[in-house]
Amino acid sequence: SAVISQKPSRDICQRGTSLTIQCQVDSQVTMMFWYRQQPGQSLTLIATANQGSEATYESGFVIDKFPISRPNLTFSTLTVSNMSPEDSSIYLCSAGGASNTDTQYFGPGTRLTVL
Amino acid sequence: AQKVTQAQTEISVVEKEDVTLDCVYETRDTTYYLFWYKQPPSGELVFLIRRNSFDEQNEISGRYSWNFQKSTSSFNFTITASQVVDSAVYFCALSDGGFQKLVFGTGTRLLVSP
Repeated sequence: SAVISQKPSRDICQRGTSLTIQCQVDSQVTMMFWYRQQPGQSLTLIATANQGSEATYESGFVIDKFPISRPNLTFSTLTVSNMSPEDSSIYLCSAGGASNTDTQYFGPGTRLTVL
Repeated sequence: AQKVTQAQTEISVVEKEDVTLDCVYETRDTTYYLFWYKQPPSGELVFLIRRNSFDEQNEISGRYSWNFQKSTSSFNFTITASQVVDSAVYFCALSDGGFQKLVFGTGTRLLVSP
């Protein structure tokens, strides 16, 4: 299994600012994903972070709002830009291997509150 | 389009009772994977099981068991002799054969009281 860490674990931010969340995996993985979990809701995929190319965004999510970096096979960042209270959520990073038989493991999440 | 339905929003049981969490899925793929994750109050997502579409054998792991039935597109999860530590939100999820991104159900909150 992969061990995934995220920084920060939680933050309280002001409206209009940006926050960058870091995700570190203890082994090389092909696929990394970023999910959002709004309060009391399920998880929704924001984007797939691809190493060496631009992230692939899901419907309803755009690069200007959620820029993603994937500089190598063990690390990714998600930035939440120009934040509003509606961005208050848990943001979770996950990782999976090269084969579709691998399991997708999740980081501990980043609890973001926007005032 | 893929879809996962967890019709039970919240279930309350008393410790030592058995409880079954339902999961119904929709997909047009012939190859797919089903998952269950546990989210305790601390918020992290804990992997419980992965099942591929070609393996309909039921699985048992300690007090946990899973019943996969393709005929009804269901992947139900049973906890036997529930314990207070089982209190959490449980998510069922589905991935297609290619890219591993997950589609989650809305989750079932399980409350186990002593």
